[in-house]
Amino acid sequence: QKEVEQNSGPLSVPEGAIASLNCTYSDRGSQSFFWYRQYSGKSPELIMSIYSNGDKEDGRFTAQLNKASQYVSLLIRDSQPSDSATYLCAVNDPYPPFSGGGADGLTFGKGTHLIIQP
Amino acid sequence: SAVISQKPSRDICQRGTSLTIQCQVDSQVTMMFWYRQQPGQSLTLIATANQGSEATYESGFVIDKFPISRPNLTFSTLTVSNMSPEDSSIYLCSDTAWEAMVYTQYFGPGTRLTVL
Repeated sequence: QKEVEQNSGPLSVPEGAIASLNCTYSDRGSQSFFWYRQYSGKSPELIMSIYSNGDKEDGRFTAQLNKASQYVSLLIRDSQPSDSATYLCAVNDPYPPFSGGGADGLTFGKGTHLIIQP
Repeated sequence: SAVISQKPSRDICQRGTSLTIQCQVDSQVTMMFWYRQQPGQSLTLIATANQGSEATYESGFVIDKFPISRPNLTFSTLTVSNMSPEDSSIYLCSDTAWEAMVYTQYFGPGTRLTVL
């Protein structure tokens, strides 16, 4: 049974600072990792995916993956009030595309509630 | 990413009745998924819906309670049967896209169900 752990927060960060969100997972076989943002009353929207160790940057967002330690993190630089939301960490185990298989469903953490203080 | 729509967006139902939720994707996708988000909780996978085969259910979810159809590559339905107040949740469908070397899922807007 895959488990994904996140600190539920709330995590309060001043506007303009760096927000750091962390996630650990239990299944060493996990291959792909995702960060979703969910505003209240809305469905999750994808921020980033990562599958290899190290950092992946996209604008103000950086995802970091350490498979040996089984953690993945999300950094948000120059935090804005509009970044205030719940951030969901998710893990799946995709089959290699050449096998003819498809993706596994996602296992989600409980989410971290982020508040950016103006 | 594909555009995903769901119907209805919300509904209020009486216990013992059933509701069918529709999920439409504007491009062909092999795999679709159904999730449940209970109040104040995160998402839990209900089942995987592959076109041309029976849905695969996660532990704790059964076909009699949550029958799923997948008649073609752009459409799926989830039925919540014999509803009770505990079924009050947001139900979300997702599609799958191969992007940046991973299978990425995008979610529909969700169906907010309240069972009285």
